[in-house]
Amino acid sequence: AQTVTQSQPEMSVQEAETVTLSCTYDTSESDYYLFWYKQPPSRQMILVIRQEAYKQQNATENRFSVNFQKAAKSFSLKISDSQLGDAAMYFCAYRVTGNQFYFGTGTSLTVIP
Amino acid sequence: NAGVTQTPKFQVLKTGQSMTLQCAQDMNHNSMYWYRQDPGMGLRLIYYSASEGTTDKGEVPNGYNVSRLNKREFSLRLESAAPSQTSVYFCASRGAPPGPGANVLTFGAGSRLTVL
Repeated sequence: AQTVTQSQPEMSVQEAETVTLSCTYDTSESDYYLFWYKQPPSRQMILVIRQEAYKQQNATENRFSVNFQKAAKSFSLKISDSQLGDAAMYFCAYRVTGNQFYFGTGTSLTVIP
Repeated sequence: NAGVTQTPKFQVLKTGQSMTLQCAQDMNHNSMYWYRQDPGMGLRLIYYSASEGTTDKGEVPNGYNVSRLNKREFSLRLESAAPSQTSVYFCASRGAPPGPGANVLTFGAGSRLTVL
């Protein structure tokens, strides 16, 4: 079964601090893609960052970076210099070959001024 | 740059009523998807369409039908709405390789459906 586990339903961080959101997944495939999506109160799903499993280098997008541990099937998201606009629900997801994407249950991030 | 457009954004139905959620994308993407989002359950795939003329069931297809009208449009129909179908529905699309949208889902703004 393809599963994604986000073990932290809620997280909080002080503005300007760093926070890490956890994600583990379960697949027997060797080639796949990993994603973090952000869902602010507007409800829009926004791609934050993506990682190809065949790449060893961790992806980075400005203040967002990932720690991809393929052997451990772990894909955490680090947000540096947190801003009030980072407050949102964050979803981890992956896609193996084929059409289906699998999503975790989400982590609600609160940013404290 | 509309991307993925869903209508309506909000809808209230009575049990047993029918309705269709419309979705259109202007990115020339091949694959289109319908998800539902419920608290504590993430996004669950209802149906998807890998290309025009094809549709496949996802994780939670019961109670729904879909139509891939053409490459742009993918509609979701509830024939006889039930309270268990109260949810937020998202349409998404994905381009074919090797384009930049090949391995990424682009989402619509969502449709909140309440069934009384």
